[in-house]
Amino acid sequence: EIVLTQSPGTLSLSPGERAPLSCRASQSVGRNYLAWYQQKPGQAPRLLIYGASIRATGIPERFSGSGSGTDFTLTISRLEPEDFAVYYCQQYVTSPQTFGQGTKVEIK
Amino acid sequence: EVQLLESGGGLEQPGGSLRLSCAASGFTFNNYAMSWVRQAPGKGLEWVSAISGNGVNTHYADSVKGRFTISRDNSKNTLYLKMNSLRAEDTAVYFCAKGPLTGDPYDYWGQGTLVTVSS
Repeated sequence: EIVLTQSPGTLSLSPGERAPLSCRASQSVGRNYLAWYQQKPGQAPRLLIYGASIRATGIPERFSGSGSGTDFTLTISRLEPEDFAVYYCQQYVTSPQTFGQGTKVEIK
Repeated sequence: EVQLLESGGGLEQPGGSLRLSCAASGFTFNNYAMSWVRQAPGKGLEWVSAISGNGVNTHYADSVKGRFTISRDNSKNTLYLKMNSLRAEDTAVYFCAKGPLTGDPYDYWGQGTLVTVSS
């Protein structure tokens, strides 16, 4: 099984700042089958990015994904108040598909 | 508009059973594989099970294999998860999600239903 390790565990930032979130895979995620989700308390996850860098429908341009192989990054260019949440990466190239443990982006 | 609405969660004793349902609308249900993903309180996301669009192929996480059964009724646009021999570690919010075992992300999720296993 592919293990995804996200860092940092918590990111304390102010609105308007840039947020880089990292996701590292224990083995190559072929075809860049890597997605990012946002989850707010009491809500379901929401798909932000798939294919490592493709924004899902309706996702603002301030969210961008990059990376390949085993190292991936989600970048929020300028944090808006509604962006403070937990973010998960997911690989969907092999079974079982797996999620990272999450990065919490909190208001500083 | 795609909607997924789970139901059937609740409090059950260890060793007991529950059946979760997920009513789907807004897309051609039988064209898409569906999955269940769970989240223990305060924890991350864990894939549980997946089923193909025609219901023929099913897949399970090792943690639930032999105890849980995924199924679907395409005439009712509904996905199910029958959970037997429940354990305390099955306590979680269970989400249904539109998407397959591999190859595509989950583009839509239900709001989740809470299953609590406790005596």
